[in-house]
Amino acid sequence: GQNIDQPTEMTATEGAIVQINCTYQTSGFNGLFWYQQHAGEAPTFLSYNVLDGLEEKGRFSSFLSRSKGYSYLLLKELQMKDSASYLCACMDSNYQLIWGAGTKLIIKP
Amino acid sequence: GAVVSQHPSRVICKSGTSVKIECRSLDFQATTMFWYRQFPKQSLMLMATSNEGSKATYEQGVEKDKFLINHASLTLSTLTVTSAHPEDSSFYICSARDVARGGDTEAFFGQGTRLTVV
Repeated sequence: GQNIDQPTEMTATEGAIVQINCTYQTSGFNGLFWYQQHAGEAPTFLSYNVLDGLEEKGRFSSFLSRSKGYSYLLLKELQMKDSASYLCACMDSNYQLIWGAGTKLIIKP
Repeated sequence: GAVVSQHPSRVICKSGTSVKIECRSLDFQATTMFWYRQFPKQSLMLMATSNEGSKATYEQGVEKDKFLINHASLTLSTLTVTSAHPEDSSFYICSARDVARGGDTEAFFGQGTRLTVV
């Protein structure tokens, strides 16, 4: 079956770095997405990886290893506004998005 | 990025009534739109895939007669919750992809609709 695993909740300190991991098993693979979702709002796009390696975009970076079925989202210089849920989603062979349950990130001063 | 507009953002209705939610792609054509439901502290749950000009494809366990989907044009899909019950209270979100840019593009989300059935 298809499965996306990510931690339920993480806590980090303002100004620090946090890494959110995601492992996946899907029927085919056409890329992995990370979305940010604040409470009560719709998700917003953060990153897309389809090739192995690290993609850097400002304070956020995303890494993919297709052979290991593994990705992580790295957030640097954490700010209080980064408190949100972070959703990992894989696109399968039918270009359908398979969603993880999300990781709630709590930032403490 | 592309814009998807969803309306209304919040709605409160009485049990037994119907509610229509609209999802529009404002600056691209969306041959396919997706409808999700999200309960508190849970992830997105795909309800159905809406295809322009044809019947929607519903996920297992989603009642097609209760959740009516119409995708009459390339920029508009509607979800109607019929005979709503309190257990239908949830956050409903639509998304669309700009397929002209390729099948592996990001999904753009509407703002979501918070439905409360009393």
